[in-house]
Amino acid sequence: EDKVVQSPLSLVVHEGDTVTLNCSYEVTNFRSLLWYKQEKKAPTFLFMLTSSGIEKKSGRLSSILDKKELFSILNITATQTGDSAVYLCAVDSNYQLIWGAGTKLIIKP
Amino acid sequence: NAGVTQTPKFQVLKTGQSMTLQCAQDMNHEYMSWYRQDPGMGLRLIHYSVGAGITDQGEVPNGYNVSRSTTEDFPLRLLSAAPSQTSVYFCASSYNRYSNQPQHFGDGTRLSIL
Repeated sequence: EDKVVQSPLSLVVHEGDTVTLNCSYEVTNFRSLLWYKQEKKAPTFLFMLTSSGIEKKSGRLSSILDKKELFSILNITATQTGDSAVYLCAVDSNYQLIWGAGTKLIIKP
Repeated sequence: NAGVTQTPKFQVLKTGQSMTLQCAQDMNHEYMSWYRQDPGMGLRLIHYSVGAGITDQGEVPNGYNVSRSTTEDFPLRLLSAAPSQTSVYFCASSYNRYSNQPQHFGDGTRLSIL
């Protein structure tokens, strides 16, 4: 059975800290791995990763994929209160997305 | 550009009632899907459609029906609401199922079944 596991489930840090969120997966036919940010409403797309070792960056956020060890990490540097959200990881397996339960990140001022 | 629009935003139903959650997108996307999101669990796929006139079941289809008469609209019907269907429902769309394009989500419908 395909599965995606995110850790930690929740994380509380102070503004300015750096955080690393983890996503591991076991799927039958990997096509891509996606990261989304969910605040109060709709998940919004952050990154799509298809190849190992290539870092994707957007401002203070970055992500990398390891297809040999079957995981991805999402890094956020110099965190701000606006980074508080649930971060979702999903893996496209056989053209269907398998979702992790998410990591709830709280940034304290 | 409205993107993906879901209505209503909130709804309370009694057990046994039926209702339709509406979803519309204006991006001419072929692929549309419905998910439910429950606390402590990932998004779970209910039904999806790869184009007008074509629908298929996802991971948790029981108790729900869908249709896709136009490219733009993909309504989700609850046939006889049950408390286990209390959840937040998201509609999503993407260019097509086979391209490496991310899905765009609506703002969700929070549904409570009493």
